[in-house]
Amino acid sequence: DGGITQSPKYLFRKEGQNVTLSCEQNLNHDAMYWYRQDPGQGLRLIYYSQIVNDFQKGDIAEGYSVSREKKESFPLTVTSAQKNPTAFYLCASSITGQASGANVLTFGAGSRLTVL
Amino acid sequence: DAKTTQPNSMESNEEEPVHLPCNHSTISGTDYIHWYRQLPSQGPEYVIHGLTSNVNNRMASLAIAEDRKSSTLILHRATLRDAAVYYCIHNTNAGKSTFGDGTTLTVKP
Repeated sequence: DGGITQSPKYLFRKEGQNVTLSCEQNLNHDAMYWYRQDPGQGLRLIYYSQIVNDFQKGDIAEGYSVSREKKESFPLTVTSAQKNPTAFYLCASSITGQASGANVLTFGAGSRLTVL
Repeated sequence: DAKTTQPNSMESNEEEPVHLPCNHSTISGTDYIHWYRQLPSQGPEYVIHGLTSNVNNRMASLAIAEDRKSSTLILHRATLRDAAVYYCIHNTNAGKSTFGDGTTLTVKP
């Protein structure tokens, strides 16, 4: 069954620690995205990648970093520079990152990060 | 920035039709309109998308205004499993969208 796997589902972190969230897809999609969701609010774009070895900042990239070394993987690192990292993090992918009606998004189940 | 306006909440009775509105006055000619829905503590799920013409699929129908500045998601017979937050977005690339707060749909038995 094709889809997106995010891990871990729940993660606790002490202040000042970096943490990496995993996102893997077996849909053969070119584009991948990371979003942050705070309680009762919508999704905000952190980073996106339209193709392997390339990625761009979204609306709220400060304090986060990503890599895209393989087509199927797009890990997100939440660094100590992120002032308020407690949130629900969602990874998504689409067939292409180019402007297209084919950009239907498939989402993972999310990772909930809590900073203690 | 592409913004949409949706009512915060709506209620429906089970097995009745539901019309969820969305205003997107800043839409450009090449933006597609997408609808997604999200259950608590889960990732959003794709519902439907379109450009200019009305669209139907097994989940819902999408009615797009002639000037494209608004659209309506239609659930023909709401079930309890349709209770979710519904998001309307528009962009040339849906993935680059900011999802607003959406509409929380409550379905009453």
